[in-house]
Amino acid sequence: GQNIDQPTEMTATEGAIVQINCTYQTSGFNGLFWYQQHAGEAPTFLSYNVLDGLEEKGRFSSFLSRSKGYSYLLLKELQMKDSASYLCAVRGDSGAGSYQLTFGKGTKLSVIP
Amino acid sequence: AAGVIQSPRHLIKEKRETATLKCYPIPRHDTVYWYQQGPGQDPQFLISFYEKMQSDKGSIPDRFSAQQFSDYHSELNMSSLELGDSALYFCASSLGLGGGTDTQYFGPGTRLTVL
Repeated sequence: GQNIDQPTEMTATEGAIVQINCTYQTSGFNGLFWYQQHAGEAPTFLSYNVLDGLEEKGRFSSFLSRSKGYSYLLLKELQMKDSASYLCAVRGDSGAGSYQLTFGKGTKLSVIP
Repeated sequence: AAGVIQSPRHLIKEKRETATLKCYPIPRHDTVYWYQQGPGQDPQFLISFYEKMQSDKGSIPDRFSAQQFSDYHSELNMSSLELGDSALYFCASSLGLGGGTDTQYFGPGTRLTVL
């Protein structure tokens, strides 16, 4: 099975940098995804890591260490619109030919002026 | 760019009624995934289809069934609805089975309320 942990809530100031951590224990691993979700809306894809290291995408970066079962999402130059839940999701290998995502509980980020 | 389309966006049903949710994947995407997200919960995987065949099954109740049609759209059929079925139902699509760098892109969701 999959067990994914991330902080429930975080608060950060506009213009600052925030790091959201995610640890996972999985029976299979085929990539780690970060999604942003505003309340009542669909998760929006942010980043993907399958190899160790840092992936940078504009204001967002994501890091993965497979040996430690650890990832983080780094958000720079925070804007008020970044207030949302950030979901860490692990893609497993079910062996059945599909790669379902298992999500963490999400981290609710509040950006304050 | 075209996105995943889901219909209806909102649905209100009574207990023991049936509901059908529809999902139209991104053009050329051949894999569809269904997720259920309860209030304050993370999305839970229900079922997926690749090339019109069921490819994986998660925590989908026996009262629910789904299929993927020749045009790759998918329908989730829910019978004997219970209050606990009230949730957001997301459909996601990907090109291929979602391995490699293939990403699942989510639709806007259908909010089902069971009274």
